[in-house]
Amino acid sequence: DAGITQSPRHKVTETGTPVTLRCHQTENHRYMYWYRQDPGHGLRLIHYSYGVKDTDKGEVSDGYSVSRSKTEDFLLTLESATSSQTSVYFCAISEVTGGPGTQYFGPGTRLLVL
Amino acid sequence: EDKVVQSPLSLVVHEGDTVTLNCSYEVTNFRSLLWYKQEKKAPTFLFMLTSSGIEKKSGRLSSILDKKELFSILNITATQTGDSAVYLCARYNNNDMRFGAGTRLTVKP
Repeated sequence: DAGITQSPRHKVTETGTPVTLRCHQTENHRYMYWYRQDPGHGLRLIHYSYGVKDTDKGEVSDGYSVSRSKTEDFLLTLESATSSQTSVYFCAISEVTGGPGTQYFGPGTRLLVL
Repeated sequence: EDKVVQSPLSLVVHEGDTVTLNCSYEVTNFRSLLWYKQEKKAPTFLFMLTSSGIEKKSGRLSSILDKKELFSILNITATQTGDSAVYLCARYNNNDMRFGAGTRLTVKP
């Protein structure tokens, strides 16, 4: 398995509070991604990073921000959590040499916003 | 529109059956079409397809891409209970990965 960890693995929070999820990799891969997975929608890309301090928006980026200050860490922040952000969040990593789109996923974080 | 549509949404078979899962997409310009398997945890990579008509195989699983008709199929022969999972397909282009909603396969003993 690719060396990807996510923390926390489970979180319950209240509407309006800030939440930060962490993705940590030990593979030294250049690209990192954050997805959310909801029933009926599959996985949807939130943000991605193509290097330290280099990030870009994905399909569903509203309400989320990201930061990558080190190759191994990619943080996802919900500035003011809403109930619609209740979801399972997956981090993924990839490297150019792996082939276009070949991504390896972390174990996921289950977030419940009350 | 840039949808990836998978069918069927769910499928129940018995061990030993052969199944075909379908994935259709709408954009013609993309770099790869991928298949993932998701059990009760993170998706795991199965296949990456970039060229039309070239079958990729891994044991009892195989997949092929048809860029003219804009679809891909995933075949599983001699299914086993361990094949029970959600199978996801996704089209990839320049860091933009669009997933279908998945096909839930249940293999009964």
